[in-house]
Amino acid sequence: DVKVTQSSRYLVKRTGEKVFLECVQDMDHENMFWYRQDPGLGLRLIYFSYDVKMKEKGDIPEGYSVSREKKERFSLILESASTNQTSMYLCASSFPLRAPRTEAFFGQGTRLTVV
Amino acid sequence: DQQVKQNSPSLSVQEGRISILNCDYTNSMFDYFLWYKKYPAEGPTFLISISSIKDKNEDGRFTVFLNKSAKHLSLHIVPSQPGDSAVYFCAAGAAGGYQKVTFGTGTKLQVIP
Repeated sequence: DVKVTQSSRYLVKRTGEKVFLECVQDMDHENMFWYRQDPGLGLRLIYFSYDVKMKEKGDIPEGYSVSREKKERFSLILESASTNQTSMYLCASSFPLRAPRTEAFFGQGTRLTVV
Repeated sequence: DQQVKQNSPSLSVQEGRISILNCDYTNSMFDYFLWYKKYPAEGPTFLISISSIKDKNEDGRFTVFLNKSAKHLSLHIVPSQPGDSAVYFCAAGAAGGYQKVTFGTGTKLQVIP
């Protein structure tokens, strides 16, 4: 079974803190993604990576950075947390879209609250 | 700019009837489409996909239809069951080397017993 594991289910952080969200997948997927889910806005792509050390901005990268030093691990970094970054964060991984199996597998999410 | 749109935030259907969830897209580069289902406090799970070379794909009770000229796809669930109650997201991507997958805003389906 494919497994995507996010390091925390719930996090509470203070404004201005640097926050690390970690994600690990065990399917040797090339692609990894970070989304945030907000009511009425669906899933919005923050960053994605298609290979080790490669990253591309998604639709809402401002205030975030990412790191992919190993194929199985993709980290999302909030450089200086703000209250508008309170959200559900979802990590996902997949094979490339041209592969026979293309669906993304998601972790269970991290509910981040910035106070 | 919302490139993938699900205009119905919610839908209620009687058990046993057909559920039809709709999705529109604007980016003509999209050539691969997926539907995901999400229960509360869980990550989305894949349901069904379709590539632009097809106009229909079926998997058990789930069928996805693609109308490329209208830039529209729909998910049909027949018959609907109470366990289908969830939020459904459509997603689109371009397989030609461009790996970004864009999701819609979701439709909350409630199947009434």
